[in-house]
Amino acid sequence: KAGVTQTPRYLIKTRGQQVTLSCSPISGHRSVSWYQQTPGQGLQFLFEYFSETQRNKGNFPGRFSGRQFSNSRSEMNVSTLELGDSALYLCASSLGSGQAGELFFGEGSRLTVL
Amino acid sequence: AQRVTQPEKLLSVFKGAPVELKCNYSYSGSPELFWYVQYSRQRLQLLLRHISRESIKGFTADLNKGETSFHLKKPFAQEEDSAMYYCALGVLSGYSTLTFGKGTMLLVSP
Repeated sequence: KAGVTQTPRYLIKTRGQQVTLSCSPISGHRSVSWYQQTPGQGLQFLFEYFSETQRNKGNFPGRFSGRQFSNSRSEMNVSTLELGDSALYLCASSLGSGQAGELFFGEGSRLTVL
Repeated sequence: AQRVTQPEKLLSVFKGAPVELKCNYSYSGSPELFWYVQYSRQRLQLLLRHISRESIKGFTADLNKGETSFHLKKPFAQEEDSAMYYCALGVLSGYSTLTFGKGTMLLVSP
């Protein structure tokens, strides 16, 4: 079956702009999580969506938001971009039920803010 | 608050040598621990989880609740084991949120 697909793979923005990243989970997976990966901080949890509802959120400012659609596809948005938002944004999908389960990661969207 | 610590950024060994990647966690509840691996130019993927108590690619990890550790071990390292390894902590609340350590790069030389 197809893996987790993230688009776009690479993008460059300037400070103050906004960006939307997209994630298509594995078919049948109802949970989508987003992580920010940087060399200094490693993988940091942004938020998780399950059945179109945000059910967990990490410690990021309100400029970071997301949503999930009825087909489980998810988008995340970052408004008023800052230089520090430059990172690899990883999406992961899972079945989302029961105990913390195996996450299946996409290849990521690499955002560069100039 | 949950925390995962991987004290070594880089671990370099020779082929055939034993490997131990350290992971310590901080969590007040019942933890679920994972090791994820990222090989060069590949996606981050699950290597093993403590609840399965299985050996994957020769790697094992035992949860030690007394020492709050979940070290990853392999008796004889292979060159193909070279990769970035992340220890991750999950909570038993039905959520799919994991707290990751900062990772350890394992380099296995011939």
